[in-house]
Amino acid sequence: DSGVTQTPKHLITATGQRVTLRCSPRSGDLSVYWYQQSLDQGLQFLIQYYNGEERAKGNILERFSAQQFPDLHSELNLSSLELGDSALYFCASSDLGVPEKLFFGSGTQLSVL
Amino acid sequence: AQKITQTQPGMFVQEKEAVTLDCTYDTSDQSYGLFWYKQPSSGEMIFLIYQGSYDEQNATEGRYSLNFQKARKSANLVISASQLGDSAMYFCAMREDGEKLTFGTGTRLTIIP
Repeated sequence: DSGVTQTPKHLITATGQRVTLRCSPRSGDLSVYWYQQSLDQGLQFLIQYYNGEERAKGNILERFSAQQFPDLHSELNLSSLELGDSALYFCASSDLGVPEKLFFGSGTQLSVL
Repeated sequence: AQKITQTQPGMFVQEKEAVTLDCTYDTSDQSYGLFWYKQPSSGEMIFLIYQGSYDEQNATEGRYSLNFQKARKSANLVISASQLGDSAMYFCAMREDGEKLTFGTGTRLTIIP
């Protein structure tokens, strides 16, 4: 168990809908990262937050947004969903003292029908 | 150009044999980190091993070692005495300037009893 909690584990929804994925980092970790894993794109970095502020942005669509709250949990919001958004979404967190080691949650499997 | 290249989509190895998973990387940074993650069929990403670009010794973590050849820009993972539980996808990743990881496309390792 990595200590990173993601909910829900599975999500099935329809095109055009909006969903929210939630992540609780390991206790004490200030950095939260979101990754998308799909069969055709592999593992893609979406966005990183550090202590509530956006720190780095990757291949995140404009339809997607994220935030990190004062209690350090993070949410990834996906709107106007398309079939191609179906993927496994990972959250990861890292230790300020050991930023190179990322601890991943078990992921949220999103299926857009 | 791909930053991380894993040329072996799949490998089959006899139980108890050693296995080497290849990874080459491309960066112009002097300071970077290299990682290997394991993804079993259950889906979670498990950190295995880390090598910093300035580390002179090859990293080792139990049965895992990283064969770091800086001049050749390679960071191969060596698993000694393979076990059935080693069957999984293995991802090589690199962290350059900043903290996000860039992942390779992965190698699916199957251990044969």
